[in-house]
Amino acid sequence: KQEVTQIPAALSVPEGENLVLNCSFTDSAIYNLQWFRQDPGKGLTSLLLIQSSQREQTSGRLNASLDKSSGRSTLYIAASQPGDSATYLCASAQFNAGNMLTFGGGTRLMVKP
Amino acid sequence: DTAVSQTPKYLVTQMGNDKSIKCEQNLGHDTMYWYKQDSKKFLKIMFSYNNKELIINETVPNRFSPKSPDKAHLNLHINSLELGDSAVYFCASSGDSAPNYGYTFGSGTRLTVV
Repeated sequence: KQEVTQIPAALSVPEGENLVLNCSFTDSAIYNLQWFRQDPGKGLTSLLLIQSSQREQTSGRLNASLDKSSGRSTLYIAASQPGDSATYLCASAQFNAGNMLTFGGGTRLMVKP
Repeated sequence: DTAVSQTPKYLVTQMGNDKSIKCEQNLGHDTMYWYKQDSKKFLKIMFSYNNKELIINETVPNRFSPKSPDKAHLNLHINSLELGDSAVYFCASSGDSAPNYGYTFGSGTRLTVV
């Protein structure tokens, strides 16, 4: 059974810093790895999706990497802004479970002006 | 146009009642899902459904049942509501082929059982 863990659970940084959020998973037989953003009281917004055959994906100031052999993914946020404050969730889809996602517990990010 | 829409946004009801949450997607996606986010904000899959197969998470009580009148809708019916059912329920959809594997989530339904 897949388990997904995110470290740290919470992070507070000053505006402008580059930061890395970590995600680890126990079963490397993943279909893809996705990163989401959740604002308080809101739904989830998809940020990046990395297929199992890919190593990384980039979108603007965001870069996500995937290392299946070590069971790790990282989300790199460059030049953080207060508007980046949210909870960031990673989730894996397994080959033997359709496209259902197993989520980590999230990292709550606060970027201070 | 909202891609994945859920109604109602808030639902307060008494223990023992039966309730439904509706979900519709206009993305042409093949698969729809229901997820539950508990008080600790942990998200967990409940169901995955397309026109071929219903996959049920083994931990979901049989008081919960998905109903899909067509490809664009997946409603969630809950019988005999319990206090522990209080949570935020998210509907989502995804495509079955590249480049549409990614998920789109609805904005959630906050269910409070009193």
